[in-house]
Amino acid sequence: SYELTQPPSVSVSPGQTARITCSGDALPKQYAYWYQQKPGQAPVLVIYKDSERPSGIPERFSGSSSGTTVTLTISGVQAEDEADYYCQSADSSGTVFGGGTKLTVL
Amino acid sequence: QLQLQESGPGLVKPSETLSLTCTVSGGSISSSSYYWGWIRQPPGKGLEWIGSIYYSGSTYYNPSLKSRVTISVDTSKNQFSLKLSSVTAADTAVYYCARHRLDVVVPHWFDPWGQGTLVTVSS
Repeated sequence: SYELTQPPSVSVSPGQTARITCSGDALPKQYAYWYQQKPGQAPVLVIYKDSERPSGIPERFSGSSSGTTVTLTISGVQAEDEADYYCQSADSSGTVFGGGTKLTVL
Repeated sequence: QLQLQESGPGLVKPSETLSLTCTVSGGSISSSSYYWGWIRQPPGKGLEWIGSIYYSGSTYYNPSLKSRVTISVDTSKNQFSLKLSSVTAADTAVYYCARHRLDVVVPHWFDPWGQGTLVTVSS
């Protein structure tokens, strides 16, 4: 199986742009998905198929892909965006999650 | 609106079998577009996929857990279940069930998730 690598933490001031990366050798061939998890809550899907946004997710959340790295971008970060973010990918052998990134809004 | 709810014992003894059930409401578990998955999260740690099942009974398991995991489905009750055998303290976690979206022939993303249930392995 393959691995997905995320930075443990990212910090940003309110109103600025946060970028959270996820790296993995399989990512050029497989889609990535992103989840937001706030303390004591279940994860919520915020991006699917690298860059698609589910209904109900604010437009400030976007995703992109380049080679072995995918990026979750949160534009105009708000205090409510402080959470853990996980990337995930899948292939015929199964599903893998990244280790998670804690986004701190300063 | 589709909802998932985990249920089962919150405390399991070491070496015994952990058993959980996920009840799906607001939609049919027999949909051709979805698998149904289990994911766990040890306290303070990240997410780990355990396995997923299609309504027909076809399964995908995490290779690292495969020898101890059995996932089954009961379409008449709109439920699917997890059994994890020979548990140790390392299996203490919040266990989530989730709908696992099928894309072509492989299940890909999870949406929505149940609220999760904490299972503690201790004597």
